[in-house]
Parts: sequence; C-alpha cells; structure tokens
Amino acid sequence: QKEVEQNSGPLSVPEGAIASLNCTYSDRGSQSFFWYRQYSGKSPELIMSIYSNGDKEDGRFTAQLNKASQYVSLLIRDSQPSDSATYLCAVRNQAGTALIFGKGTTLSVSS
Amino acid sequence: DGGITQSPKYLFRKEGQNVTLSCEQNLNHDAMYWYRQDPGQGLRLIYYSQIVNDFQKGDIAEGYSVSREKKESFPLTVTSAQKNPTAFYLCASIQGTNQPQHFGDGTRLSIL
Repeated sequence: QKEVEQNSGPLSVPEGAIASLNCTYSDRGSQSFFWYRQYSGKSPELIMSIYSNGDKEDGRFTAQLNKASQYVSLLIRDSQPSDSATYLCAVRNQAGTALIFGKGTTLSVSS
Repeated sequence: DGGITQSPKYLFRKEGQNVTLSCEQNLNHDAMYWYRQDPGQGLRLIYYSQIVNDFQKGDIAEGYSVSREKKESFPLTVTSAQKNPTAFYLCASIQGTNQPQHFGDGTRLSIL
C-alpha cells in the first residue's frame, strides 16, 4: 500500500512568521506532487504543484521536492490568519492513475 | 464557467436505502474520481474512471457502485451494504496524467 505521511499538527505560528509543512511518501516512482489547502467544510483547492527536484516559488508559497529522500515540503512566508486551514499533500502514483493523499496538517496562524 | 458540479450538497440516507450522488463536469476531462473524507482524515479513493464505459476500484470500493455512460458524468451510488456511509464525498477530474485534480464542492452524507 503506497502511503503519504504528514504530521497532523496542529502547527501554530504567529502572524508574519514562516510556516513549514512536511510530507514523506513511499512510492519511489512517483513523479507528480501537489499541495492542497482545505478550509473546514470545504473542498480542497490546489495551491502548488511540483514535478522536479528543488524549489518552486509562487508568491508567499514555496514547494520543495527531494525525490532521493522521498520528501516534499511547503513553506508559507509572512503567514496570515487567512492561511489557517488544513494542508493536504498529494502524490500521484507511479501508474499515473490516481492521487494518494496524506491526512493533512492543520495550520493555525494567530494574529 | 467550467467546473465540476456535485449535487446534492447535503444528503440523508435511511437504513437499507441506496442513494446516488451526482457529479457532472464541463471541463472535457477524461478521468474522474470519487473520494471519501472522514473527519480528521485525508481523502480515500473509492472509484475512478479514465474513459467512458470503464472504471476501476480504489482503496475502499466495497459498498459503492459507479457508472460512466457519458464523459461528463460519473455518479456514485452508496448502497445499503455500506454500513458506515456518513462522510464528505468529493468528486474530482483531471486531463492528463501529470496535471492536478480539480474538485467539486462535495456532498455531505449522513444517516437518518
């Protein structure tokens, strides 16, 4: 069974700080990696995708991928109270047929 | 606007009853997916379909059934065999194997 692991949290950071969310995966053949944000009672929304080793930046968000270590992370700079949500890490299986999701990390940003 | 429409938003099931959740997309995506989410849990794959008239079981298919008669529609039936159906159900679609999935707004199913 292919797995995606995340710390459930909650991760609490003050407003303006950097939030760091981590994810490990077991399928060494995975090639596509995604971070989704999910507000309570809502469906997940895509915030970042990453396919190559290294960093990918989009505004306040930076995704980092290390395929050798099977590790994906998401950094949120200048955290805002509106960033308070559950962040889901998702990894496409090697066959490319489906996304495997972690259980999510709950982030709380205090003002 | 292109998107994925799930209905109803809330659904209640009586004991022994089958219920069907609707999922329609106008994105012209080939692949469609059904996930179940329980409180504090990630998304677990129920069924997926990569092409019309074909679908595959996911990790938790028991007690569920699907059909894919049209490209834009992928309804999910929660049968009476599913003894613990209370959950948030999410439909998603994708075009291309490396693209992210797009989600509908979800259906929240409860037992009466």
